[in-house]
Amino acid sequence: DAKTTQPNSMESNEEEPVHLPCNHSTISGTDYIHWYRQLPSQGPEYVIHGLTSNVNNRMASLAIAEDRKSSTLILHRATLRDAAVYYCILRDDRYSGAGSYQLTFGKGTKLSVIP
Amino acid sequence: EAGVAQSPRYKIIEKRQSVAFWCNPISGHATLYWYQQILGQGPKLLIQFQNNGVVDDSQLPKDRFSAERLKGVDSTLKIQPAKLEDSAVYLCASSFGRQGVYTGELFFGEGSRLTVL
Repeated sequence: DAKTTQPNSMESNEEEPVHLPCNHSTISGTDYIHWYRQLPSQGPEYVIHGLTSNVNNRMASLAIAEDRKSSTLILHRATLRDAAVYYCILRDDRYSGAGSYQLTFGKGTKLSVIP
Repeated sequence: EAGVAQSPRYKIIEKRQSVAFWCNPISGHATLYWYQQILGQGPKLLIQFQNNGVVDDSQLPKDRFSAERLKGVDSTLKIQPAKLEDSAVYLCASSFGRQGVYTGELFFGEGSRLTVL
């Protein structure tokens, strides 16, 4: 499985943008890049995913390097509610023919937001 | 839309006892996953179902863990007998997972926290 590397922890001030980096130098051409986050005492929740082009949704933006060996999750204005562990995951391509797939989680980046 | 439901939220047992966790996925989701999350680590996949069939159980400790998904809807994860190292949060997730449809999203429940004494 292709691996990802993330910093263990990051800090941000409230209402400032946050850039969470992820390295995935062994990514294959068909690996999707997923981001999930996990708030304290909650299950992980989907944030965003992409393949090659940058992606935006109501929660965040995903910037993908041209060579796809790294990506950055961008939270445009951090709030206290954004304090969580953020996981960068490459979609395991096994079983994709059946329409289902697996996500293998690493340790993620713990984001602290300072009021 | 109702999310993934899990019960119980908390369970404390003695080692060598048994425990069962229940999961009701989002209606219409064909794929169901059980993950184990030990404190300080990311979730680790235990088993994946597609409808009522097992797709992958390669990381399930089959000497003590079992899981079933009868009728392709609800699922139960059982541990018997429990060990101290089984203390963790057990997360259930579901996804649409129909052939040819890629949604990119897993929906997780809040988890069941197990403490083994």
